[in-house]
Order: sequence, then structure tokens, then C-alpha cells
Amino acid sequence: EDQVTQSPEALRLQEGESSSLNCSYTVSGLRGLFWYRQDPGKGPEFLFTLYSAGEEKEKERLKATLTKKESFLHITAPKPEDSATYLCAVRLGGSEKLVFGKGMKLTVNP
Amino acid sequence: EAQVTQNPRYLITVTGKKLTVTCSQNMNHEYMSWYRQDPGLGLRQIYYSMNVEVTDKGDVPEGYKVSRKEKRNFPLILESPSPNQTSLYFCASSLSGGGNFKPEQYFGPGTRLTVT
Repeated sequence: EDQVTQSPEALRLQEGESSSLNCSYTVSGLRGLFWYRQDPGKGPEFLFTLYSAGEEKEKERLKATLTKKESFLHITAPKPEDSATYLCAVRLGGSEKLVFGKGMKLTVNP
Repeated sequence: EAQVTQNPRYLITVTGKKLTVTCSQNMNHEYMSWYRQDPGLGLRQIYYSMNVEVTDKGDVPEGYKVSRKEKRNFPLILESPSPNQTSLYFCASSLSGGGNFKPEQYFGPGTRLTVT
């Protein structure tokens, strides 16, 4: 069964305390892994797409990496405005379906 | 401004009363999709559409209908809503892409539906 698992479910950091979020997947034929940010009461906002193992993308304090079994979202020196729920999703080979993980709620305290 | 719009944003209804949630995008995207988001379950795909007149089931299609008569619109229809369809619903769109190129999806602001 195709699965996407995010860990931890929730994470509290102090401002400036770097950390990483994990998204592991067991899918047949990955055709793209996506990271989204979701603020309370809003729709998910696209952050990154990764297509192949070894690929990396960066945006401000965020860096996403991909291996054959998992992806990491590294947050360097986070600020309170980085507080949000971060979602990971994979698009399956041979299908146009998008499968999401359950999300990871990040809280950054000042 | 490029966007996905949904209406209504909030809806409270009763069991069995047919309703439609509209979704429209102004980006000329071929691909559109509906999701529901529930605590502890995350986002789950209901239906998606690759283009006009082409729709397919996602992971949780039971109790829902969709249609794609125009490229920009993708309404979600609940013929006989039940309390277990109380949820937060999102519409999304993207370019279709070919082969391994699967572009990111852009999400609407969400519709919070309560069925009593």
C-alpha cells in the first residue's frame, strides 16, 4: 500500500534553533514529491518539488532534500513566522493521484 | 491575480439536502482536484480531472460527484450529504505536465462544511 509518513507530528523550536522534518514514503513509482506550508484556516501553499534522489531545493531558511525513501525539510535559524503545518505529498507513477502525509505542526517560539 | 476561488467559504446544512461547492481557477490549468481535510487524517483526494470532460476518482469518492464542463470550473456536488461529510474541503489546480514532469498544485482557500 502506498504510504506517506511525516515525523514528528509536532515540533516546538526556539527562534534560531535549526531542525529537520522528515517525510518517508513507500510508493510504487514516485513521480514527484511536494512540500507545502499550511497556515491555520488557509489552503496549502506550495514550497518545493523534488523529482529524483539527490535533488535539493532551497528557499530562504528552508531546504528540501530527497533520497530514495525519504525527504527532509531542513529549517535553518527559524523565526516565529515559520510557524505553520508543513505537508508532504507524493505523486504516484502511472496515476495522477496525489497522496499527502498527515502533516507536521511547527511552532517557533520567540 | 492568479488564484483558485471557492464558494461558499462556510456552509451549514442538514442531512439529505443537495449542495454544490463551486471552484474556479483563472490560470488556464488543465488539472483540477478536490480534497477533504480532517483532523488526524490529513488531506485526502476525492476526485480529480485531467481536462474538460475527463474526471477520475481519488481515494475517497463515495458520496460525491463532480463535473468538468469548462476548463476553469470544477464543482463538487453532494447529492445527499451526511454528517460524516462534515469537513474542510479544498479545490486545487495545476498544469497537467507530461511524463515525469508533474507541476505543483495551487490550492483554494477552503470551504468548511457542517452537515447536521
